[in-house]
Amino acid sequence: EAQVTQNPRYLITVTGKKLTVTCSQNMNHEYMSWYRQDPGLGLRQIYYSMNVEVTDKGDVPEGYKVSRKEKRNFPLILESPSPNQTSLYFCASSSDRVVGQYFGPGTRLTVT
Amino acid sequence: GQNIDQPTEMTATEGAIVQINCTYQTSGFNGLFWYQQHAGEAPTFLSYNVLDGLEEKGRFSSFLSRSKGYSYLLLKELQMKDSASYLCAVEAGGYNKLIFGAGTRLAVHP
Repeated sequence: EAQVTQNPRYLITVTGKKLTVTCSQNMNHEYMSWYRQDPGLGLRQIYYSMNVEVTDKGDVPEGYKVSRKEKRNFPLILESPSPNQTSLYFCASSSDRVVGQYFGPGTRLTVT
Repeated sequence: GQNIDQPTEMTATEGAIVQINCTYQTSGFNGLFWYQQHAGEAPTFLSYNVLDGLEEKGRFSSFLSRSKGYSYLLLKELQMKDSASYLCAVEAGGYNKLIFGAGTRLAVHP
């Protein structure tokens, strides 16, 4: 089954404790992205990747890091999380604009 | 700056037709997407427009006017399951670089 998986699905952590949210896709897609979704603001792109070792900043990259060492994986790293990073995070992948992006199930992160 | 506007909420009756508008002002334009998102779920792709005109897909159609910075999503024969948020997104400034509107929450009632 074609899918994008994210782990963990839910995470409560404390300010400053480094964390990684994993994202993996099994569709051999070149393009992957990370978004955060906040009430009233919609989806905002954090980082995107066009292929292995090729990444670029989206609209809200501050406080986040990504890496793309393998085609299937695109982890999101918060080196020092802060409460304003409390949000719902989605990973997505795509192969072609015509079919759009496939989104993972989301990770709800709370930073206290 | 980059800006995408869509109405916050809309209501409609089962069986009717509803049009959700989206206007955008972006630096560059590579295409416009519509996604559907049910409460508590991930967005799912509905349509992609890159040229002016209407794209039809079953009960859903999407229209684009690049000169006006305007798109709409048309939903026909509304069903209760169409109650969801509809997200307009523009690809601008690079492949896969997307800007989303805040979404339109559609409530379909009997």
